[in-house]
Amino acid sequence: QQQVKQSPQSLIVQKGGIPIINCAYENTAFDYFPWYQQFPGKGPALLIAIRPDVSEKKEGRFTISFNKSAKQFSLHIMDSQPGDSATYFCAAGKGSGTYKYIFGTGTRLKVLA
Amino acid sequence: SQTIHQWPATLVQPVGSPLSLECTVEGTSNPNLYWYRQAAGRGLQLLFYSVGIGQISSEVPQNLSASRPQDRQFILSSKKLLLSDSGFYLCAWSRGGNQPQHFGDGTRLSIL
Repeated sequence: QQQVKQSPQSLIVQKGGIPIINCAYENTAFDYFPWYQQFPGKGPALLIAIRPDVSEKKEGRFTISFNKSAKQFSLHIMDSQPGDSATYFCAAGKGSGTYKYIFGTGTRLKVLA
Repeated sequence: SQTIHQWPATLVQPVGSPLSLECTVEGTSNPNLYWYRQAAGRGLQLLFYSVGIGQISSEVPQNLSASRPQDRQFILSSKKLLLSDSGFYLCAWSRGGNQPQHFGDGTRLSIL
């Protein structure tokens, strides 16, 4: 119930392609769903986030789609570039008093030039 | 704007030696603070979190401890390191509630 399942583990796309990374959760108490981008040797950086009252959110080339009934959410990267090559983590947060996140296991994305 | 600093960036320690990793946050007050460990090919495992000075909660039993001596300072420690303590340690802060966490650039700890 506390897990966030992320897939695929790795992904290779051509420049301009639209990689899609999926995450699924069980616990309906989660109320905030961020995505993080991590480059080698760096900490994860917040990319985009969504709350369950919204089905889609776009920020630049990044879009989150959220399906509350299916308990799934996904990240789409439009017009992907080689600079987008990184590891992406989804997360789900919940808590009263102390708020905590459960992270997916990450997706390593490579965008070929 | 808020910034988070972690140091050192890399550390090589012998088994049985002590450890002290430091994390500080600037530009905000009374943040929630978190220590995570990231293993290769796995997600982030929450180790400790703190909602205020001197208030530490541990998520998993282990060889590590955490302290928060000042509002924006979070320290990860060990008295005697084990080989299994190797990993990438990340500090994060948030404003609490369903607000995003922001991470430092981590410490790569290698135990020999």
